[in-house]
Amino acid sequence: AQKVTQAQTEISVVEKEDVTLDCVYETRDTTYYLFWYKQPPSGELVFLIRRNSFDEQNEISGRYSWNFQKSTSSFNFTITASQVVDSAVYFCALSERSGGYNKLIFGAGTRLAVHP
Amino acid sequence: EAGVAQSPRYKIIEKRQSVAFWCNPISGHATLYWYQQILGQGPKLLIQFQNNGVVDDSQLPKDRFSAERLKGVDSTLKIQPAKLEDSAVYLCASSLDLKGLRETQYFGPGTRLLVL
Repeated sequence: AQKVTQAQTEISVVEKEDVTLDCVYETRDTTYYLFWYKQPPSGELVFLIRRNSFDEQNEISGRYSWNFQKSTSSFNFTITASQVVDSAVYFCALSERSGGYNKLIFGAGTRLAVHP
Repeated sequence: EAGVAQSPRYKIIEKRQSVAFWCNPISGHATLYWYQQILGQGPKLLIQFQNNGVVDDSQLPKDRFSAERLKGVDSTLKIQPAKLEDSAVYLCASSLDLKGLRETQYFGPGTRLLVL
């Protein structure tokens, strides 16, 4: 069965530190998509990135970068020079095929606290 | 472009009472999802609609939960009667099309329900 594991429940860092959030997934599908969402205290899940299973090129967007390694079934997220505004819960999700339609399977999330 | 709208943002009720949540998806999005997010967990899919038809309600507790999407736009989720374990955040999301694995789901701010 498809599954997403975010082993880090909570991470606490001081501003300007780099931090990596881990995500490990399980799937029998050969084609799938992985996502990262950010959930600030306001509650809304904010889409950050989508990655397909055939593209293992790392991606960088400003202070954010993502490392996708199919060999280890991991899709890790790094924030460089963290800021207080990065404090949130971050979710990794896997898109799976079910009954002809796709749906997202979420990990339990990692709570990131960035202190000034 | 307006995002996914939800109301109310907060609701406190006593057990055995009924409650309803409303969601308005992003304009033009054919698919709509309701998720339940219990504190400390990732969102869990309750039901998904394609236009005004249900495509997956396998995880919806149908003895007490119901949902509809009349006219393929707005949706309501109802709980009757509520139990203590229904205390959670109820998130609504929408995407352009359900069938594509790559489809990104966009989330609303959620409704925080507390059942006393």
